[in-house]
Amino acid sequence: AQKVTQAQTEISVVEKEDVTLDCVYETRDTTYYLFWYKQPPSGELVFLIRRNSFDEQNEISGRYSWNFQKSTSSFNFTITASQVVDSAVYFCALIAGGGADGLTFGKGTHLIIQP
Amino acid sequence: NAGVTQTPKFRVLKTGQSMTLLCAQDMNHEYMYWYRQDPGMGLRLIHYSVGEGTTAKGEVPDGYNVSRLKKQNFLLGLESAAPSQTSVYFCASSYLGRAGEAFFGQGTRLTVV
Repeated sequence: AQKVTQAQTEISVVEKEDVTLDCVYETRDTTYYLFWYKQPPSGELVFLIRRNSFDEQNEISGRYSWNFQKSTSSFNFTITASQVVDSAVYFCALIAGGGADGLTFGKGTHLIIQP
Repeated sequence: NAGVTQTPKFRVLKTGQSMTLLCAQDMNHEYMYWYRQDPGMGLRLIHYSVGEGTTAKGEVPDGYNVSRLKKQNFLLGLESAAPSQTSVYFCASSYLGRAGEAFFGQGTRLTVV
């Protein structure tokens, strides 16, 4: 069975600060995929990134960056120079093996960016 | 391009009533899913389908049934609603080769009183 842990329930920072959201996962499969999803106050879920277990390269997309470390089973997400529009609940998720049986989500981190 | 559409968006049920939630996707995706989201619990998988005519149980299937008679539709049924089924329900779909990279519907907020 898979498990995803997001230990930070809520984080509050002031605009323009950098913030890192932690994600630790557990799986016995050697092939798996990790994801981050964003849920803004409007409620929809937005896909941010997909990373497979064989690719440990960090990824940067604008102000967003992701750090994948298999040695610590972590897939952390950093927002640089945060903005009010980044306020949302962020979910880390995992799919293992063939992936047909759905995502295993963490409980989410509520990020509040104060102006 | 509609993506994933859920019907209805809101519903209030009395305990014991039945209802069906409809999910429709226009992206020709093979995989479809029903999740429920409860405060502090993240999203949990109820049922899923890997293709037309197939369904399987997820993490929290009790009290729900599903059907996928057409590739583009995935129905979630509650035969006898209970207050514990008060939740926000999300449907999602994904392409066979990109499992997990899911497109989600807008959600259905269901209250059972």
